[in-house]
Amino acid sequence: DIQMTQSPSSLSASVGDRVTITCRTSQSISRFLNWYQQKPGKAPKLLIYTASSLESGVPLRFSGSGSGTYFTLTISNLQPEDFATYYCQPSYSTPFFGPGTKVDIK
Amino acid sequence: EVQLVESGGGLVQPGRSLRLSCAASGFTFDDYAMHWVRQAPGKGLEWVSGLSWSGTSTGYADSVKGRFTISRDNAKNRLYVQMNSLRTEDTALYYCVKDKNRYYGSGSFDFWGQGALVSVSS
Repeated sequence: DIQMTQSPSSLSASVGDRVTITCRTSQSISRFLNWYQQKPGKAPKLLIYTASSLESGVPLRFSGSGSGTYFTLTISNLQPEDFATYYCQPSYSTPFFGPGTKVDIK
Repeated sequence: EVQLVESGGGLVQPGRSLRLSCAASGFTFDDYAMHWVRQAPGKGLEWVSGLSWSGTSTGYADSVKGRFTISRDNAKNRLYVQMNSLRTEDTALYYCVKDKNRYYGSGSFDFWGQGALVSVSS
């Protein structure tokens, strides 16, 4: 089974900051990695699929990169509405989610 | 507009059964795989089960295998999950989720319902 780590588990940042979240897998998953955003009391929202493709309607300040076993989600120019929890998810074999990264206000 | 509306949640005793339903609209239902994803209170996301566009291929998390059964009725645009032998650890908000693709193994979840709360307690 594929194992995955997501880091950091939480971070504090300010509006306008650039934030990077990483996911690492125990074996190569090519580019089969998605990123989701979840705000309190709301359903998750797909941000990035296949490592770097931006889902329709998602602001351009969100970007994804990586392949193989190392992936990143970057939020440039952090906005107030971006404070949320972010999950990575391999879209490879049996789906599962990373433990999440909570982004809150510094 | 894609809409996914779950129903059937509630309070149930351990060992009992519950069936969740999801009414889908706004897209061609039988073109896409569908899933159930759950979230225990204050916890992260857990994929529960998925099935292909035709319903002929299904998958389950180890935690529910043998107890939960996913199904779909493409004529009615509905997704179901039959949950038997419920345990306290099954307590969660259950989301109905649409896949971007036809086969559940690709697992890219592009639309989510608002969830149905299942509480398992004596």
